[in-house]
Amino acid sequence: GQNIDQPTEMTATEGAIVQINCTYQTSGFNGLFWYQQHAGEAPTFLSYNVLDGLEEKGRFSSFLSRSKGYSYLLLKELQMKDSASYLCAVMDSNYQLIWGAGTKLIIKP
Amino acid sequence: IAGITQAPTSQILAAGRRMTLRCTQDMRHNAMYWYRQDLGLGLRLIHYSNTAGTTGKGEVPDGYSVSRANTDDFPLTLASAVPSQTSVYFCASSDKMGPDTQYFGPGTRLTVL
Repeated sequence: GQNIDQPTEMTATEGAIVQINCTYQTSGFNGLFWYQQHAGEAPTFLSYNVLDGLEEKGRFSSFLSRSKGYSYLLLKELQMKDSASYLCAVMDSNYQLIWGAGTKLIIKP
Repeated sequence: IAGITQAPTSQILAAGRRMTLRCTQDMRHNAMYWYRQDLGLGLRLIHYSNTAGTTGKGEVPDGYSVSRANTDDFPLTLASAVPSQTSVYFCASSDKMGPDTQYFGPGTRLTVL
């Protein structure tokens, strides 16, 4: 079966760095996406990785290791507005997204 | 530019009733999707459409139907609602079906009693 695992909840301090991990087992791989979802709102796109390595975009970076079936999202200089759920999703061989349940990130002052 | 709009925002529905959730995008995207999101679970794909005139089944299609008469609209119909269809429904679109960013509508919160 297809499976995406990520921690249910994480807590971090404003100004700090946090790493949210995602492991996956899917039938085929056409890239890995990270989305941000604030409570009661729609998911919004953060990043896309299809090759191994680190992609940096401002305060957010995303890493992929295809051989390990592993990705992480790194958030630097945390701000209160970063309190949200972070969703990991893998595009399978049918070009359909398989989603993790999301990691709720709580930022404390 | 509105992006993707969904209607209604929320709805309470009696079991057995028929309901259509509306979705419209103005980005001229070819591909559109319907997902449901339940607490503790990831988004699950209900139906998708690669392009106007074609539709396909996702992971959880039972009890739902869709149509894609034109590029902009992708309605989702529950023929006879059941309580297990209580969920938040998101419509999304992308330029093409493939490794392309999906953009989401604001969602419809549906409660079936």
